[in-house]
Amino acid sequence: GDSVTQMEGPVTLSEEAFLTINCTYTATGYPSLFWYVQYPGEGLQLLLKATKADDKGSNKGFEATYRKETTSFHLEKGSVQVSDSAVYFCALSSASSGGKLIFGQGTELSVKP
Amino acid sequence: NAGVTQTPKFRILKIGQSMTLQCTQDMNHNYMYWYRQDPGMGLKLIYYSVGAGITDKGEVPNGYNVSRSTTEDFPLRLELAAPSQTSVYFCASSEGGGANVLTFGAGSRLTVL
Repeated sequence: GDSVTQMEGPVTLSEEAFLTINCTYTATGYPSLFWYVQYPGEGLQLLLKATKADDKGSNKGFEATYRKETTSFHLEKGSVQVSDSAVYFCALSSASSGGKLIFGQGTELSVKP
Repeated sequence: NAGVTQTPKFRILKIGQSMTLQCTQDMNHNYMYWYRQDPGMGLKLIYYSVGAGITDKGEVPNGYNVSRSTTEDFPLRLELAAPSQTSVYFCASSEGGGANVLTFGAGSRLTVL
């Protein structure tokens, strides 16, 4: 079945460092891809999404490009802030998942001043 | 905007007790979902609903029941609580499936002792 694999955390960075969180997926057809973020004590919220190959999703300085050839959707940010400390979830939705979201295990990011 | 409201936020149960987690959304969304979140495991879908009167099992439905008598409400019932049901539970809603964005509640932390 469809699945999402993220790099394991926790990831600890200094403020203004470059961030990459790797995400790869397995799916038949052409899934939609998402990054959700969970700040401490809160529910998940959408960070960005891409619905077709080569699309780039972006929001709040974060970017991710839908790479069909490598089945990847890596999350990047050029300069992280302490306020970016959170858990980041990669997810997909596909015809074979019945349109339901399948989540990766989440990657915890901690940014130190 | 209230969005998705879950109650209670915290609850401790004894083994064998029953309880209901409440979820209400005010966005007139057709789709509603219940997930559980365990450390390092991402989110697992328990049950979902595509409209009032329609519910279906997700990945981990055992030990739970749901109902959807109205568009707004989607309660999750735990019968005969077990320690394995200790988790954080999230309710979510969306306009539709597929690439539609989910709106999550703040979560309900349940401990079964």
